[in-house]
Amino acid sequence: NAGVTQTPKFQVLKTGQSMTLQCAQDMNHEYMSWYRQDPGMGLRLIHYSVGAGITDQGEVPNGYNVSRSTTEDFPLRLLSAAPSQTSVYFCASSPPGSEALHFGNGTRLTVT
Amino acid sequence: GNSVTQMEGPVTLSEEAFLTINCTYTATGYPSLFWYVQYPGEGLQLLLKATKADDKGSNKGFEATYRKETTSFHLEKGSVQVSDSAVYFCALAYSGGGADGLTFGKGTHLIIQP
Repeated sequence: NAGVTQTPKFQVLKTGQSMTLQCAQDMNHEYMSWYRQDPGMGLRLIHYSVGAGITDQGEVPNGYNVSRSTTEDFPLRLLSAAPSQTSVYFCASSPPGSEALHFGNGTRLTVT
Repeated sequence: GNSVTQMEGPVTLSEEAFLTINCTYTATGYPSLFWYVQYPGEGLQLLLKATKADDKGSNKGFEATYRKETTSFHLEKGSVQVSDSAVYFCALAYSGGGADGLTFGKGTHLIIQP
């Protein structure tokens, strides 16, 4: 029972590089979302999806892209990394109508 | 807009002490309220929830009561253990919460000393 799986666990990028944070869930949840966690800021919503082919912006979407081609996967793309994107990123999923988000273990990203 | 305010941490207690972590919220209407817990190196886990006024959520010895009159959802536990050391997040959501996300507080780091 894998739940929500995020890869990689750690990543260091140089300013301007691009990368994709992977997120996969095996619970057939329709809703998926990405959060970033920063000290003293709590969690802030980046992007979310209510189903395959549907995505929308959250509170802090700038600098990030998402797509949802399948129910299982919801990758987060950084097009041109900036030091301000240094953070811990969490992917979460839930079935429709449920408030109980299931979180992955996070990706710690450092941009130098 | 919606917001959640939690007491600043870290909160340091001795084992078997009584715990209260304060949480107040600002929102229109009647949101659902939640407490999530994050253990070191892990993602957040739902600890308990309440969906309407005067509801009490409980789990693993933790309790919180939805107080509409004071817009609060304080987390309590009668006797804490070292294993309760974690970061606790208060959150609110409307209509299921999964679609457009929850609004989280900044988190309270709890440290329990043996």
